[in-house]
Amino acid sequence: EPEVTQTPSHQVTQMGQEVILRCVPISNHLYFYWYRQILGQKVEFLVSFYNNEISEKSEIFDDQFSVERPDGSNFTLKIRSTKLEDSAMYFCASGAESSYNEQFFGPGTRLTVL
Amino acid sequence: AQSVAQPEDQVNVAEGNPLTVKCTYSVSGNPYLFWYVQYPNRGLQFLLKYITGDNLVKGSYGFEAEFNKSQTSFHLKKPSALVSDSALYFCAVREGVSGNTPLVFGKGTRLSVIA
Repeated sequence: EPEVTQTPSHQVTQMGQEVILRCVPISNHLYFYWYRQILGQKVEFLVSFYNNEISEKSEIFDDQFSVERPDGSNFTLKIRSTKLEDSAMYFCASGAESSYNEQFFGPGTRLTVL
Repeated sequence: AQSVAQPEDQVNVAEGNPLTVKCTYSVSGNPYLFWYVQYPNRGLQFLLKYITGDNLVKGSYGFEAEFNKSQTSFHLKKPSALVSDSALYFCAVREGVSGNTPLVFGKGTRLSVIA
């Protein structure tokens, strides 16, 4: 069964450093998303991406964040200058054409900012 | 704005007993409702969804959920709980027909099934 994959599983970085989180969505999906979950809190939407551009983004997704689909398979989230409060589990998800369809989530990348 | 409420942080149930995990929602249009489960150190796994049609939706691992429009609820149920059902359960809603529309999650309910 196809699945969303994410690398790395755990990333530790120093405050102020740039990080790139990588995702490989399910191959025939057209919509791509990033969510995050701070420890003990709810899953929060960051951004959705369709047709090579951002479709929607939340207030969390400020100028420090960017997304890219550099080739036909990868989908990346970049945090330009990490802050302590960026420490969270970051989930990538992908979805097929219709909003009726569920989003499929990857296993997540745990980001720890020291 | 869309929102989801899961009023219980924790639900404890004995193995073999029926379980219910509660969820209520608020949207201005038609709701598309989802349940996801999260096992320790794992991502979110899709359980079931309600889009339209029959109010009782059946999903993976013997779970089902009942959509109640008048009560704006979408409670998750299972007739007989297993210890392996112990996990964190998230209810989510999305509104609108565009695939760009994000999921809005509740805060999650931790289900503990005791042998």
